[in-house]
Amino acid sequence: RKEVEQDPGPFNVPEGATVAFNCTYSNSASQSFFWYRQDCRKEPKLLMSVYSSGNEDGRFTAQLNRASQYISLLIRDSKLSDSATYLCVVNNLGGSNYKLTFGKGTLLTVNP
Amino acid sequence: DVKVTQSSRYLVKRTGEKVFLECVQDMDHENMFWYRQDPGLGLRLIYFSYDVKMKEKGDIPEGYSVSREKKERFSLILESASTNQTSMYLCASSLGTSSKETQYFGPGTRLLVL
Repeated sequence: RKEVEQDPGPFNVPEGATVAFNCTYSNSASQSFFWYRQDCRKEPKLLMSVYSSGNEDGRFTAQLNRASQYISLLIRDSKLSDSATYLCVVNNLGGSNYKLTFGKGTLLTVNP
Repeated sequence: DVKVTQSSRYLVKRTGEKVFLECVQDMDHENMFWYRQDPGLGLRLIYFSYDVKMKEKGDIPEGYSVSREKKERFSLILESASTNQTSMYLCASSLGTSSKETQYFGPGTRLLVL
């Protein structure tokens, strides 16, 4: 199993659609989890952290299932500006320090 | 706002040249990282540093070295550039060593090695 594995995509959806991204991770001792967003030819930026109880930020909802080692991101009422690559990110303890491991990303295109 | 800057947005070098990529952060962050990003492979960690003059190998350190002489600056060095080092290079920084620390990225350097 790859360390962090995401839906390969790409996803093409109309404006207003609901879209869900899935991610699995292999290290059961992983400490924390994030979704980053990367626009075309730009750097990744933190979208949201993912907590065990699930968390919501406006149209975005993130869920974590530690038993299944599964993370999800739901985007409701998608906008054109949501078009980007979404990166699933896991923070693992490597030696005495934490390191982020990135999924390969899922490209989302929201169409008018 | 955290600001991470990289010395060049685009760079073209020849095989065998020594290449320096510079990264500076202005938020007094302890940790700094160098990644490369390639289509189909995602972001991969090259080297990282948790303190001045300290460095640790990431997942793909071969062909690279780093230098951190000052807290705010982390340099990536390609001793003898090769065509397979053509890539997007991203620098990042984070505040401390908590598992919940966010990493902030610079704008990236697109390096082409001919």
